[in-house]
Amino acid sequence: DAGVIQSPRHEVTEMGQEVTLRCKPISGHNSLFWYRQTMMRGLELLIYFNNNVPIDDSGMPEDRFSAKMPNASFSTLKIQPSEPRDSAVYFCASSSSTGNTEAFFGQGTRLTVV
Amino acid sequence: AQKITQTQPGMFVQEKEAVTLDCTYDTSDQSYGLFWYKQPSSGEMIFLIYQGSYDEQNATEGRYSLNFQKARKSANLVISASQLGDSAMYFCAMRERNFHNNAGNMLTFGGGTRLMVKP
Repeated sequence: DAGVIQSPRHEVTEMGQEVTLRCKPISGHNSLFWYRQTMMRGLELLIYFNNNVPIDDSGMPEDRFSAKMPNASFSTLKIQPSEPRDSAVYFCASSSSTGNTEAFFGQGTRLTVV
Repeated sequence: AQKITQTQPGMFVQEKEAVTLDCTYDTSDQSYGLFWYKQPSSGEMIFLIYQGSYDEQNATEGRYSLNFQKARKSANLVISASQLGDSAMYFCAMRERNFHNNAGNMLTFGGGTRLMVKP
């Protein structure tokens, strides 16, 4: 398996633009997590899905952020409109939800909003 | 309240020596899992070791071992015979049941410890 695949790897956008980050989890995994990493706030859990259903989105910072998982092999995190303070590395991770198995991370998307 | 606390923002260790990275956690669940990840300067998140709450033996993986003290709610990572390549950020994480809706298992991370290995 190719592992968790995120795209794009880098994104530079202007303030006010819409940004969409994409994630393809490992085949067979039914839990998917979105994290944001910054120097100031560390690694924050934004939202996670179980069997394509959003379970907990309490970490989503505000209404400008939304996430979807239309099927078991694809998820998106959208920011609209983007702001400079959204600049961060966004990670997607997936795991099996049976038992306490580790989560496998994608390479991350480095987002810069100017 | 913090779920995972790593009190050491940064640590130095001499090459070939052992080092312990601290992690304490907070949960009222009986079944949970504890994980350690390594993040080198390249940015990827690498899984190192796992400890289940019901496991009686401390987990070991090569030079990594987890000092699990359930009553104290601590899960310290011990790296033996440090190598220069061990210089990285290390994150402790916990997976527990979501109490709000009893569905799925959320995975939360501590703030991390930056380990620097001196030659």
